[in-house]
Amino acid sequence: DAGVIQSPRHEVTEMGQEVTLRCKPISGHNSLFWYRQTMMRGLELLIYFNNNVPIDDSGMPEDRFSAKMPNASFSTLKIQPSEPRDSAVYFCASSFRQRGMRGNDTEAFFGQGTRLTVV
Amino acid sequence: KQEVTQIPAALSVPEGENLVLNCSFTDSAIYNLQWFRQDPGKGLTSLLLIQSSQREQTSGRLNASLDKSSGRSTLYIAASQPGDSATYLCAVRNTGFQKLVFGTGTRLLVSP
Repeated sequence: DAGVIQSPRHEVTEMGQEVTLRCKPISGHNSLFWYRQTMMRGLELLIYFNNNVPIDDSGMPEDRFSAKMPNASFSTLKIQPSEPRDSAVYFCASSFRQRGMRGNDTEAFFGQGTRLTVV
Repeated sequence: KQEVTQIPAALSVPEGENLVLNCSFTDSAIYNLQWFRQDPGKGLTSLLLIQSSQREQTSGRLNASLDKSSGRSTLYIAASQPGDSATYLCAVRNTGFQKLVFGTGTRLLVSP
């Protein structure tokens, strides 16, 4: 497997524009996570999905952020409108949890990230 | 609310030294703990995963231990090499939740 694939790797956009980040999780994984990394705040969870359903979106900063997972192999994180303070590296990660078995989460694997710069 | 702390924030050692990185967490009701390394400008690479029922895991020169009751984990790196230079992050997954809560990391520099 190629691992978690994110695109684009780099994105530079002007304030006010819409930005869409994409993620393809590892085949067979049923949990998907979006994280944001900044120097000031480190790694923060934005949202995670289990079996394509959003479970916890409490980390989404505000209504400008939205995430979807239309199927098991694809997810998007959208920022509309973008602002300079959204500049960060956005990571997608995936793992597998067996249904009904507590504690048996597999390792989480991360993509290479998307470095977003909003000017 | 789970909080994860890593000490030291930065560490510089000469090549060949054995070293220990520390991770502590406030809520001991965890599912598992995972250690990652991150190279500058890159993503996170998983190093070791320890389930809550385990005491330690080993992979090559790396050994991670877990003491749930005291809320601590250590990552031991034997015979350090310049290629080990990176930021090391620990993350815990709490009971009932799937998300990983990350520490702030330890930036390691191994000099030749």
